[in-house]
Amino acid sequence: EMQLVESGGGLVQPGRSLRLSCAASGFTFDDFAMHWVRQAPGKGLEWVSGISWKSDNIGYADSVKGRFTISRDNAKNSLYLQVNSLRAEDTALYYCAKDPEARIGTTNTRFDFWGQGILVIVSS
Amino acid sequence: DFQMTQSPSSLSASVGDRVTITCRASQSISSYLNWYQQKPGKAPKLLIYAASSLQSGVPSRFSGSGSGTDFTLTISSLQPEDFATYYCQQSYSTPPTFGPGTKVDI
Repeated sequence: EMQLVESGGGLVQPGRSLRLSCAASGFTFDDFAMHWVRQAPGKGLEWVSGISWKSDNIGYADSVKGRFTISRDNAKNSLYLQVNSLRAEDTALYYCAKDPEARIGTTNTRFDFWGQGILVIVSS
Repeated sequence: DFQMTQSPSSLSASVGDRVTITCRASQSISSYLNWYQQKPGKAPKLLIYAASSLQSGVPSRFSGSGSGTDFTLTISSLQPEDFATYYCQQSYSTPPTFGPGTKVDI
């Protein structure tokens, strides 16, 4: 059974950092691109970042560029998001999501399996 | 970025109803449009990709159509488990962007 389990969220003060993790199982992790998508409380979905199967193709939303860093460790079947210089507007449920393609930024980019999400609250 | 809009923002329907949700792109996105369903407290689920292709395991009462800038998601006969929020997402251009959602309730 396919699973994506996020961890590492919590309550953090503005300006501080967190590292989100996503543990994958039930599929061949290193065959697929992976993404982070977030959802602010009561709001819609926002793509945050994506990474290709061998980490050679990475993208970020303008809202997080320069502050967030996506990475993956295929040996550990894990996806990460280092989130720095956090702002109140980064408060959201962060989902890890699988792409059926190996690379990001293709016209087939979609999110065919999602984790349950991890909550990040930025507040003093 | 490509902006996506959806209409209506919410609708009330009954079990057995035919429901249609519209998604519009700010520029032509060919057929690179995906639809998701999200139930309260749950992660989104992919329903339709490439405008009209049904994701594996999704009931056939869900269908999608459209190309260019205008797309529709249709639920042919609404079931109790279909009450949820539906989002469209374009994959024509990076960054992938979502519509604001359409809430379907009773």
